[in-house]
Amino acid sequence: EDQVTQSPEALRLQEGESSSLNCSYTVSGLRGLFWYRQDPGKGPEFLFTLYSAGEEKEKERLKATLTKKESFLHITAPKPEDSATYLCAVIISSGSARQLTFGSGTQLTVLP
Amino acid sequence: SQTIHQWPATLVQPVGSPLSLECTVEGTSNPNLYWYRQAAGRGLQLLFYSVGIGQISSEVPQNLSASRPQDRQFILSSKKLLLSDSGFYLCAGRGRAYEQYFGPGTRLTVT
Repeated sequence: EDQVTQSPEALRLQEGESSSLNCSYTVSGLRGLFWYRQDPGKGPEFLFTLYSAGEEKEKERLKATLTKKESFLHITAPKPEDSATYLCAVIISSGSARQLTFGSGTQLTVLP
Repeated sequence: SQTIHQWPATLVQPVGSPLSLECTVEGTSNPNLYWYRQAAGRGLQLLFYSVGIGQISSEVPQNLSASRPQDRQFILSSKKLLLSDSGFYLCAGRGRAYEQYFGPGTRLTVT
């Protein structure tokens, strides 16, 4: 069964304290891995798509990387406004509508 | 990119009452559309998806149904709500590279 596991479940950082969030997956035929940011009471906001091992994407203080078994979301010098839940999802090669399988998310809190 | 609209934003309904949540898409045509439910502190559970008008696939057997009467309209319904139907409902549309774009969500509380 395809699985996506995110760790840690929750992370508290001081402003400026860099860290990484992990998303490990056990799927066959990975077609893409996606990162989303979700603020409380809102829909997820699309951040990145990664397609193959070794690929990296950056946006402001966020950098996503992908290996054959996991992805990392690196947060450099975070600010309080980076506080949110970060979700990862994978898409596999089979399936007529290309469903995404989501992890449970990492709740990030950045303290001023 | 596309924009997903959902309403209402918040809904409180008694057990046994009907439900209708609407989702419309702007900025694309013939999109794949999805309904998800998110329990507190949990990931997203796919409920239904649609690849076109009148085409609905159900991922989880339950008290809910979905319909797609128009290309850019996706509706989630129930004839009689249960307490367990409470949750945060999200509509999403598929982008060009399989990413999905989400609407703002509807918070449903069944009392």
